[in-house]
Amino acid sequence: KQEVTQIPAALSVPEGENLVLNCSFTDSAIYNLQWFRQDPGKGLTSLLLIQSSQREQTSGRLNASLDKSSGRSTLYIAASQPGDSATYLCAVRETSGSRLTFGEGTQLTVNP
Amino acid sequence: EAQVTQNPRYLITVTGKKLTVTCSQNMNHEYMSWYRQDPGLGLRQIYYSMNVEVTDKGDVPEGYKVSRKEKRNFPLILESPSPNQTSLYFCASSILGGRRGYTFGSGTRLTVV
Repeated sequence: KQEVTQIPAALSVPEGENLVLNCSFTDSAIYNLQWFRQDPGKGLTSLLLIQSSQREQTSGRLNASLDKSSGRSTLYIAASQPGDSATYLCAVRETSGSRLTFGEGTQLTVNP
Repeated sequence: EAQVTQNPRYLITVTGKKLTVTCSQNMNHEYMSWYRQDPGLGLRQIYYSMNVEVTDKGDVPEGYKVSRKEKRNFPLILESPSPNQTSLYFCASSILGGRRGYTFGSGTRLTVV
């Protein structure tokens, strides 16, 4: 059974820092991997989607990488801002029709 | 605007009173799914559907029912809610091939007293 782990569980940084969030998964036979952002009590906003054949995806200050063979993905946030404060969730999809398996998230706080 | 719409956003109900949480998507997605989110347990899949009239159990289906009579709608039914079903519920949809990822609704906060 696929298991997804995110480290660290919580992270507090000063504004302007570059930071890395980590995601690992136990079964490397994935279809794709998706990073989400969740604000307290709110829904999930998709940030980046990486197909299994891709190594990385970029959107603005965000860059996500995927190393399928080692079962790892990282989300890099450049020049962090207080508005980046949220929980970041990593989820893997094992086949084209299957569910997402989520990690428990990293709660990020960016201090002004 | 492409979106997944859930209703209601908040609901407080009593044990045993049947309720339905609606989910609708306007993206012509084949795949729809329900998740619940609980502190310390993360997001867990309840039921999913790969197309009209095709539904299957996820990881935590007990106490829930679903139906998929139309492509755009995927309601979640709690026939006899219990306090352990107090949770934050999310509906999600995607094309079957999955190349565009999932789109999630805004969530339904359910409290069963």
